[in-house]
Amino acid sequence: DTEVTQTPKHLVMGMTNKKSLKCEQHMGHRAMYWYKQKAKKPPELMFVYSYEKLSINESVPSRFSPECPNSSLLNLHLHALQPEDSALYLCASRLGLAGDYEQYFGPGTRLTVT
Amino acid sequence: AQKVTQAQTEISVVEKEDVTLDCVYETRDTTYYLFWYKQPPSGELVFLIRRNSFDEQNEISGRYSWNFQKSTSSFNFTITASQVVDSAVYFCALSDQTGANNLFFGTGTRLTVIP
Repeated sequence: DTEVTQTPKHLVMGMTNKKSLKCEQHMGHRAMYWYKQKAKKPPELMFVYSYEKLSINESVPSRFSPECPNSSLLNLHLHALQPEDSALYLCASRLGLAGDYEQYFGPGTRLTVT
Repeated sequence: AQKVTQAQTEISVVEKEDVTLDCVYETRDTTYYLFWYKQPPSGELVFLIRRNSFDEQNEISGRYSWNFQKSTSSFNFTITASQVVDSAVYFCALSDQTGANNLFFGTGTRLTVIP
């Protein structure tokens, strides 16, 4: 099973709202990632977690707040977003940070900020 | 610095034609990994292949084949007898040798297969 699930599939939120994106995997992977993808662009790395600890933050604005409550779950908390934050948000997981492995991606959450 | 170039922005082919998607990469690492991912309109990135820098053997999987040439820093992807379901954006990616093994994506090639 190489499935990464993400909820919700679509989200529309106002600039003053607080919402959360959820990502789950049950493959025993210990590295999890958040990416942002704008239309017709490749995914851009936002955050990397390894063994539930934040490993990389690619200078992401504080209105995005990641959380990894356990090894299977990754959240992205959203607050006071801007319209330019509208994008597809992809979660991925990998067996570990090091080694010869691929990342497996979820189906993404399409976020629209109004 | 890591860089992946996919010069073909969009390609259209008629069903059953063969099509090759080009990928050229730059890296100073001696050990690295190359990937191809498919992104259909639904949005999910589907892993297709991983190749490490020590393995220059070409690979075939059904209608898909990959040609890795270190001499030209290329990792090209060929679909034989294309089908409408192959319509998607295809990304080539390179991973670095830091602890995070981050993926560096090319800009993608949008393939449209016309019935």
